[in-house]
Amino acid sequence: TQLLEQSPQFLSIQEGENLTVYCNSSSVFSSLQWYRQEPGEGPVLLVTVVTGGEVKKLKRLTFQFGDARKDSSLHITAAQPGDTGLYLCAGARGTYKYIFGTGTRLKVLA
Amino acid sequence: KAGVTQTPRYLIKTRGQQVTLSCSPISGHRSVSWYQQTPGQGLQFLFEYFSETQRNKGNFPGRFSGRQFSNSRSEMNVSTLELGDSALYLCASSLWTSGEGYEQYFGPGTRLTVT
Repeated sequence: TQLLEQSPQFLSIQEGENLTVYCNSSSVFSSLQWYRQEPGEGPVLLVTVVTGGEVKKLKRLTFQFGDARKDSSLHITAAQPGDTGLYLCAGARGTYKYIFGTGTRLKVLA
Repeated sequence: KAGVTQTPRYLIKTRGQQVTLSCSPISGHRSVSWYQQTPGQGLQFLFEYFSETQRNKGNFPGRFSGRQFSNSRSEMNVSTLELGDSALYLCASSLWTSGEGYEQYFGPGTRLTVT
């Protein structure tokens, strides 16, 4: 059972465009993380959000945790080819156990 | 500071065999988790070790096991390999950060192919 659904699954956009990736669940998470994974490598942690309604910014990336801590979004402004990769959200359940989302594969064309 | 290292990076095994994968966490990190990543199922949690004790376990059969040594290095073992065990196995070492929870740092993974 996949508890975290990400949308869209695939996204191909031109350099300079904006995009939003969504991570949704019917379950409440104590915290939520976003990762980016490139081919042949492990996921790299981008951000952790803990409080409902929290917004964090990392350069051109904006992360938001839903008020009810069931969903999150990642917004990228002026996407660049270097943003290409697999974006994964992961929700913390229980003491320490992360459930990963289905993933969004982003391709930014130059 | 050196990152998480996993060995071997690639492995080809035959059905019915067993395999052992190794993970060396970042110095000072006491928590090590293992994940299986496949195109169909995505990234799935296998288990987590902290100070040589298994603290959490995912929904995988008993053929999947692990252990952690006193130096925090960890190994996972898969016995009686099946074709469906072909996957990228990822290890993550974690550090507890106040206000952020556990920050996971992943290794490059071991690509296991079962033929």
